[in-house]
Amino acid sequence: GAVVSQHPSRVICKSGTSVKIECRSLDFQATTMFWYRQFPKQSLMLMATSNEGSKATYEQGVEKDKFLINHASLTLSTLTVTSAHPEDSSFYICSASRALSGGLSTDTQYFGPGTRLTVL
Amino acid sequence: AQSVTQLDSHVSVSEGTPVLLRCNYSSSYSPSLFWYVQHPNKGLQLLLKYTSAATLVKGINGFEAEFKKSETSFHLTKPSAHMSDAAEYFCVVSDRTGRRALTFGSGTRLQVQP
Repeated sequence: GAVVSQHPSRVICKSGTSVKIECRSLDFQATTMFWYRQFPKQSLMLMATSNEGSKATYEQGVEKDKFLINHASLTLSTLTVTSAHPEDSSFYICSASRALSGGLSTDTQYFGPGTRLTVL
Repeated sequence: AQSVTQLDSHVSVSEGTPVLLRCNYSSSYSPSLFWYVQHPNKGLQLLLKYTSAATLVKGINGFEAEFKKSETSFHLTKPSAHMSDAAEYFCVVSDRTGRRALTFGSGTRLQVQP
């Protein structure tokens, strides 16, 4: 159990276009989903936290108008990179925490396989 | 505030020998601690988790970690390395409050020699 999928796994786009990445919890409901960015040979950097039905919370330095996050249901969150530029090229990883009663979630995060974005 | 320090950026062992990946943490709260493994171009897989129950935590694939509060350490071990263990390993701390954000260590790349 606790499987998280991401789609697409790899995307190449032209500079100036927008790219949407989907993150789905396949066998559990996720109150909270997280979006991370990972540069080559580096650790994960948290970009934002999204809760179902509410606005995402962005980390300092992350442009919320550039990285649009929508968490429309308990199993789906999307990250849209708007007007992508080459410096946005990176490995984007989502994670999800299993929902508990009372709107809480566990602190164990289950990670998706990641999306490799290349902006030409 | 919380932080994680992985003391080795790279560890190389021979197949069949023990593995030790070191991690020290700092947290204002009683933390949850995790070890995740990442194979190349893949997402992260949870190896094990500590949440204030038993201090010796057993995980998947023969890995285990011991929580030592006095040393603020959470080192990952395995008695006998396998070639398939070669990957990047992350020590992670959760503050167990609010939005449950994770703080990642910088990672340790484990190389297993035949």
